[in-house]
Amino acid sequence: QITLKESGPTLVKPTQTLTLTCTFSGFSLTTSGVGVGWIRQPPGKALEWLALIYWDDDKRYSPRLKSRLTITKDASKNQVVLSMTNMDPVDTGTYYCAHRATFFYGSGSSAGFDFWGQGALVTVSS
Amino acid sequence: DIQLTQSPSSLSASVGDRVTITCRATQTISNYLNWYQQKPGKAPKLLIYAASSLQGGVPSRFSGSGSGTEFTLAINSLQPEDFATYYCQHSYSMPLTFGGGTKVEIK
Repeated sequence: QITLKESGPTLVKPTQTLTLTCTFSGFSLTTSGVGVGWIRQPPGKALEWLALIYWDDDKRYSPRLKSRLTITKDASKNQVVLSMTNMDPVDTGTYYCAHRATFFYGSGSSAGFDFWGQGALVTVSS
Repeated sequence: DIQLTQSPSSLSASVGDRVTITCRATQTISNYLNWYQQKPGKAPKLLIYAASSLQGGVPSRFSGSGSGTEFTLAINSLQPEDFATYYCQHSYSMPLTFGGGTKVEIK
């Protein structure tokens, strides 16, 4: 059974750095094809993908936020950490981590986020 | 970046209705399109992957279709638990993007 849980501060001040930890179980980040992504959602708004780290330590970022984001993994601890610098009130929202799965069908494959954490609400305010 | 536009942004429907939601991509994404359901205060749930493949445990009243740039999520015989917001998301290339969401409300 795959589970993920986000942890970190609920309140950060503008210009501070946010550090969120995703602790997971039920899978290994050393298994080929596996990844963990971060997705956020401002209150009442749509989902926004932020970053993704793969089993082979390949890292991908949203181009819009790339300069502010760092994603790392500690496979031995079953954790993925996301850091976001220079936080602003517009960064307020719920931050989710999710398991990125590869789906094989017929002659093809696809990917999606099949398990999600419960989300961590982060408020940016002075 | 590939942008995904969902329509409508919201709809009202009754229990038992058939509902369809459209997702359009700004460039071809083959069938690399997923659909998620999100209820208030909860994390999204994967319903459909690869445009038309039903994720395990998802009721068969949900179906997906489409390829290229236009995709559809259909819900046959809408149930009370289906009232939620639905998002499409592509996995064709980086960066990943989500659609703006479609809120399905009770009429």
